[in-house]
Amino acid sequence: DAGVIQSPRHEVTEMGQEVTLRCKPISGHNSLFWYRQTMMRGLELLIYFNNNVPIDDSGMPEDRFSAKMPNASFSTLKIQPSEPRDSAVYFCASRTGQNTEAFFGQGTRLTVV
Amino acid sequence: GENVEQHPSTLSVQEGDSAVIKCTYSDSASNYFPWYKQELGKRPQLIIDIRSNVGEKKDQRIAVTLNKTAKHFSLHITETQPEDSAVYFCAANGGAQKLVFGQGTRLTINP
Repeated sequence: DAGVIQSPRHEVTEMGQEVTLRCKPISGHNSLFWYRQTMMRGLELLIYFNNNVPIDDSGMPEDRFSAKMPNASFSTLKIQPSEPRDSAVYFCASRTGQNTEAFFGQGTRLTVV
Repeated sequence: GENVEQHPSTLSVQEGDSAVIKCTYSDSASNYFPWYKQELGKRPQLIIDIRSNVGEKKDQRIAVTLNKTAKHFSLHITETQPEDSAVYFCAANGGAQKLVFGQGTRLTINP
């Protein structure tokens, strides 16, 4: 398995534009997490899914952020409109179930100018 | 919900000495505590984990201890080496499979 795959690896966009980050979890994993990493706030949990269903989105900072998981092999995190303070590295992670290792993707480095 | 506090935020030790990083958690239902290492520009990767049915686990130079009564757990690295320099994150798996991370500890090993 190629591991968790995220795209794009880098994204530079102008303030006000829509940004879509993509994640393909490891096949067979039924939990998927989206994290945001900044120097100030560390690894913040934004939202997580179990069996494609959003369980907890309390970490989503604002209504500008939304996430979907239409099937077991794909998830998206969308920011609309984007703002400079959204600049961060966004990680997706997946695992088979509770109390198991979560595997991270390579991350997407987002820069909003 | 789960809240994880991690200390210290930075740690500098001499090569060969030991390093200890401590975490506390808030959700008494938490039962899985992994530790991740993140090298510069790379993704976090699991280095060791412990479940609530044990108090200590060791893997070569790395050990983790868990005190469920006090709701804290610690990472111990002995005989530190330059390649141990990285950012380390603790995490707790609270109710409903929510995996929450601490703020991270930047560990520097001085030759």
